[in-house]
Amino acid sequence: SQKIEQNSEALNIQEGKTATLTCNYTNYSPAYLQWYRQDPGRGPVFLLLIRENEKEKRKERLKVTFDTTLKQSLFHITASQPADSATYLCALPFGGGGATNKLIFGTGTLLAVQP
Amino acid sequence: EAEVAQSPRYKITEKSQAVAFWCDPISGHATLYWYRQILGQGPELLVQFQDESVVDDSQLPKDRFSAERLKGVDSTLKIQPAELGDSAMYLCASSLETGLQLFFGSGTQLSVL
Repeated sequence: SQKIEQNSEALNIQEGKTATLTCNYTNYSPAYLQWYRQDPGRGPVFLLLIRENEKEKRKERLKVTFDTTLKQSLFHITASQPADSATYLCALPFGGGGATNKLIFGTGTLLAVQP
Repeated sequence: EAEVAQSPRYKITEKSQAVAFWCDPISGHATLYWYRQILGQGPELLVQFQDESVVDDSQLPKDRFSAERLKGVDSTLKIQPAELGDSAMYLCASSLETGLQLFFGSGTQLSVL
C-alpha cells in the first residue's frame, strides 16, 4: 500500500538558518505533491504544489524539490523566523484520476525556530 | 477572503450519544472533504464528495458514521453512537479541482467522555 513518511521528530533550528524538511513516499508515482502548514488547533493551509515534471519550485522564502527517482520531496525555508514555527505536512494524490482522486497526508514534521 | 466555515468549534459529548458537525465550503467548490486528525498524526480522509455524490468513503466507519451533502453545497457529518476512540479533530475542506489546493476550515475538536 502507499506510504508517506515525514520525520516524526521535531526539527529545531536557529532563526536565520535554513530549515529542510523531508517527505518520502513508496509504492506509487504521484503526478504532483503538495505542502501544507498547520498551526496548533487550526486546519492546514496550502503552501506549494509541485508537479512530477518540475524539479524545483519557489515561493518567497520557500523552495520545494521533487525527485521522482528517489521518491522524495524536500521543503526548504530560508532565513527562517520564529513565525515559521508550525507543523508542515506533505500530501500526495491517490486514486483513479479526476473526481476520484483523494489527497493523502503524511504525519507532518514539527518545526521550531528559536530566536 | 472566502473561507470554509465549520461548526461547532468544540464539542464534548458522552459515549453512546449522537453528534453532528456542519461544514459550509467556499462558494463554487464542487469537491468537499471530511478528514479526521488524531493528535500527532496527519489528517485521514473519511469521505469525499463531488457535488452531492460520494466519490470515496472507504475509510468511513459506516456502522456509526454518516455524511451527506444534499444540495451539493453544505455538508453534515454525524456520529451515532460516539465512542471514546472518536475523540479527534474533524476537518472539512473544499477545492475547486479535486485533489488540488484544499482549503480547510478551523475544524471541530471532539472529546468523547
